[in-house]
Amino acid sequence: ETGVTQSPTHLIKTRGQQVTLRCSSQSGHNTVSWYQQALGQGPQFIFQYYREEENGRGNFPPRFSGLQFPNYSSELNVNALELDDSALYLCASSAGQGVVNSPLHFGNGTRLTVT
Amino acid sequence: AQSVSQHNHHVILSEAASLELGCNYSYGGTVNLFWYVQYPGQHLQLLLKYFSGDPLVKGIKGFEAEFIKSKFSFNLRKPSVQWSDTAEYFCAVNAMNRDDKIIFGKGTRLHILP
Repeated sequence: ETGVTQSPTHLIKTRGQQVTLRCSSQSGHNTVSWYQQALGQGPQFIFQYYREEENGRGNFPPRFSGLQFPNYSSELNVNALELDDSALYLCASSAGQGVVNSPLHFGNGTRLTVT
Repeated sequence: AQSVSQHNHHVILSEAASLELGCNYSYGGTVNLFWYVQYPGQHLQLLLKYFSGDPLVKGIKGFEAEFIKSKFSFNLRKPSVQWSDTAEYFCAVNAMNRDDKIIFGKGTRLHILP
């Protein structure tokens, strides 16, 4: 089975620009979660998608938005980039709703640098 | 709001030493607890989890963790570490029956000397 894949691996953007990050979930998984990991910090929950609908959101402003597609792949969009958005963005997929039923499987992340 | 505290940011041990990494969480209700590990150059992966039942849970590679409800703690242990245990370890909590949000601690970087 293929694991979670994220693209691109690295990205450099300028403050004020917009960015789209992509994630392909592991085969058989229909839930995707996005996390932001700043340097020296643990992953912070951004939001989760289950069957194409947002199913939970962390403390991130509306300029962080997402989509999930019928094949369960997902996008994270960030508008009006700020310097503090520089971080590793992690995607995790799981099978079914509820962390009890299926652990998170993480991708390797996209390293975003905002200058 | 839920939060997770990991007491040690960086731990250095020699091979065969015993390991205990501290983790405390703040949430008054029922929780699901996890330890994730990230080996150098690899993605985060689940080490072990506690949902219910026996508070002493065993994970992969000889790791175990004990849930002590009265102390809001979920410390990770291993009796004898190996050089290959060098990695970053994250404790995480999910508020049961609330949502699927998993809150991670800041992580502990473990370095094992050969």
